[in-house]
Amino acid sequence: DGGITQSPKYLFRKEGQNVTLSCEQNLNHDAMYWYRQDPGQGLRLIYYSQIVNDFQKGDIAEGYSVSREKKESFPLTVTSAQKNPTAFYLCASRRDRGKLFFGSGTQLSVL
Amino acid sequence: AQSVTQLDSQVPVFEEAPVELRCNYSSSVSVYLFWYVQYPNQGLQLLLKYLSGSTLVKGINGFEAEFNKSQTSFHLRKPSVHISDTAEYFCAVSDTNFGNEKLTFGTGTRLTIIP
Repeated sequence: DGGITQSPKYLFRKEGQNVTLSCEQNLNHDAMYWYRQDPGQGLRLIYYSQIVNDFQKGDIAEGYSVSREKKESFPLTVTSAQKNPTAFYLCASRRDRGKLFFGSGTQLSVL
Repeated sequence: AQSVTQLDSQVPVFEEAPVELRCNYSSSVSVYLFWYVQYPNQGLQLLLKYLSGSTLVKGINGFEAEFNKSQTSFHLRKPSVHISDTAEYFCAVSDTNFGNEKLTFGTGTRLTIIP
């Protein structure tokens, strides 16, 4: 089955710790995205990548980093600089105009 | 830059009644418009999209939306809702520059179907 796989489903971060969220797709899509979802705020774009070895900051990139070394993979690192990391994180990839395919998300919480 | 406003954060509707979820957008350029649905603890799925052509767009699960350029609106409608329609619905907009396509989402409308 083709799709987007996010792992882990739940993740806990200790203060001062960096954590990495995994996003893998086998849809052969060039573009990939990371969104953060907070209650009542909808989805906000963190980073996006339109091609391997290239990525751009979204609206709320501070405290996050990404890499795009392979077409299939777009991991997101939540660094210790992100002071309010508790949220639901969604990864997506894009096929044609506007149609995003989403993973099932990772819920990140702070211990 | 674009922005999306979903004025209703929650909409309760009786089963088999009609529903309209409102979406207004702001943009200085031509846009594409979308509605996505999110079921609990899941990612988002595309319901329908407007790219060009007919302003009335039909999507999955019996939903439809009408693009109104003069009112900058893209309201989502269903003539008769079912319990399974309980979910959160997001309106989204992107500019038509395909090479630089970012979707901007609204804050969502939680649709609750009352039996």
